Order: sequence, then C-alpha cells, then structure tokens
Amino acid sequence: EVQLVESGGGLLQPGGSLRLSCAASGFSVSNNYMTWVRQAPGKGLQWVSAIYTGDRTFYADSVKGRFTISRDNSKNTLYLQMNSLRTEDTAVYYCAREFHSGSLDYWGQGTLVTVSS
Amino acid sequence: DIQMTQSPSSLSASVGDRVTITCRAGQSISTYLNWYQQKAGKAPKLLIYAASSLQSGVPSRFSGSGSGTDFTLTVSSLQPEDFATYYCQQSYSSPYTFGQGTKLESK
Repeated sequence: EVQLVESGGGLLQPGGSLRLSCAASGFSVSNNYMTWVRQAPGKGLQWVSAIYTGDRTFYADSVKGRFTISRDNSKNTLYLQMNSLRTEDTAVYYCAREFHSGSLDYWGQGTLVTVSS
Repeated sequence: DIQMTQSPSSLSASVGDRVTITCRAGQSISTYLNWYQQKAGKAPKLLIYAASSLQSGVPSRFSGSGSGTDFTLTVSSLQPEDFATYYCQQSYSSPYTFGQGTKLESK
C-alpha cells in the first residue's frame, strides 16, 4: 500500500529554519517525481517544489533561494529544507507523488508550519 | 506562471443535482489539467487527470472535459459525500499552478 507520512512541522519565528520530512512506503521515491504543495490557513493550494529523476529540481518563485527539496533514497524519504522563513510561509505542507501527466495521485496527511513572532 | 481561474468560487446544490465547475487557463495547456477534491482537514484527492481520465476508484458520476484553455468538471448526480472544495491544476509547465478552488455546499 502506498503511503506518505510528513513530519517536522512546528512553530518558529521569522528568519528561522526547518526541515520537513516525508517518509514513503509502498513505492520508491528514487524513481518517482515528488512534489511539495502547501495550503495557508483557510486558503487554496499552492505548488511549492518538485524533484524529478536525475535530481532535477523546481521551485515556486516565492520560495526560490530559500527552500531546498531533496531525497534520501536509502531512507525512501523526501525532504524540504526551509530557510529564512517568513510569516507568509505559514501553511500545512503536503508531500505528494506525481502520477500521469503531472497529476498528484498520493498525498500525505500534511504537517503544519507556523511562522510567527 | 500560468494563471488558473475557476468559476464559480462557491456553489449551492442539492443531492441529485447535476453540477458543473469551470476552469480557465491563462494560456493553452493542451490537456494537462487535473481536478482534485478536498474535504475539510484532509489532503486533496485526485479525481481527474489529463483533462478527462478518471482516476482509479473515483465514481463514474465525475467527469472532465476540455482542452486548450477551457475545462469543466461535471458531477452528474450529486451525492452527500460530494460536498467539498474542488481545485483544478495545470501540469503543462512549472510551477504547476492551482485554481483558487470552488466550494460546493449543500442547498
């Protein structure tokens, strides 16, 4: 059974750093495209970052230069390193597996990141 | 970035109704359009991919159509469990932007 479980969220002050993890089971992150999507409280979905085969990475303009997506194939885990956090980064962060034509077929339960002074 | 615009933003309907949600892309995206359903406090669920392909396990009352810039999601006969928020997403070019969502509420 395919499962994604995020962890690492929390409360921190502006300017801080945090690393989110997404542990996968039932498939291998090494040969799948993986994505992070976030959702601010009461708002819609925002695509954040993706990592493809060959470790090609992509970022939304709003996080470029501050966030880094990576994966550890030996742990079958996806990561999102978030630096220089801002209040507008407050959101539930979901990891998801890319399926056919860029759609996202499996999602984790989400982890809440709150950036506040 | 490709802007995705959904209409309406909210919709009231009754069980058994036929409902259509529209998504418009800011430029042509061929059929790289996906639809998701999200219930409160839960992760989104993929319904339709590539504009018109039904994801495995999704009831056949859901259907999608369109190409280029204009797309629709139709629910042929609303069921109680269908009241939720629906999002379109383009996967034509990065960043894979989402529409703002359509909240489907019970009348």
